Amino acid sequence: DGGITQSPKYLFRKEGQNVTLSCEQNLNHDAMYWYRQDPGQGLRLIYYSQIVNDFQKGDIAEGYSVSREKKESFPLTVTSAQKNPTAFYLCASSTHTGDVNNEQFFGPGTRLTVL
Amino acid sequence: EDQVTQSPEALRLQEGESSSLNCSYTVSGLRGLFWYRQDPGKGPEFLFTLYSAGEEKEKERLKATLTKKESFLHITAPKPEDSATYLCAVRESAGGSYIPTFGRGTSLIVHP
Repeated sequence: DGGITQSPKYLFRKEGQNVTLSCEQNLNHDAMYWYRQDPGQGLRLIYYSQIVNDFQKGDIAEGYSVSREKKESFPLTVTSAQKNPTAFYLCASSTHTGDVNNEQFFGPGTRLTVL
Repeated sequence: EDQVTQSPEALRLQEGESSSLNCSYTVSGLRGLFWYRQDPGKGPEFLFTLYSAGEEKEKERLKATLTKKESFLHITAPKPEDSATYLCAVRESAGGSYIPTFGRGTSLIVHP
């Protein structure tokens, strides 16, 4: 079955730690995205990548970093510089952002809690 | 000012009571409006894409429509399993990145 997987489902971080969230897709999509979702807020874009070895900052990139070494994978690192990291993190993929029909497909999400 | 505004924030319906959710947008050049359904603790599930005013799409009890300023998601004779948060996202042609902007969603609860 084609789809997007995220791991872990739940993640707990201590103050000052960096943590990495995994996102893998087997849909052969060019573009991948990371969003953050807080209660009462819409999805806010952290980073996106349109092609391997290239990525762009979204609206709230401070305190986060990403890499795109393989087409299938787009891990997100939440660094200690992110002051309020507790949130629900969603990864998505789509065909190229310039395509007409490029609806996004989302993974199941990772809930990160800072202890 | 938000580019995408969804209303109401929350909606409670009785089973069988039809209603509509609204998504209004202020982007300059629309290049697609997307509707998603999100269940608690899960990722959004794609429902529809609309591209031009007058376009309509249907799926089971859901019908999405589009005008030049807003979209409606009509729910006909809803069932409790339709309870979820419905998200709207808009992609505009300006800027070149074509990354959708999401609204805050409408939380729908359908009581049996």
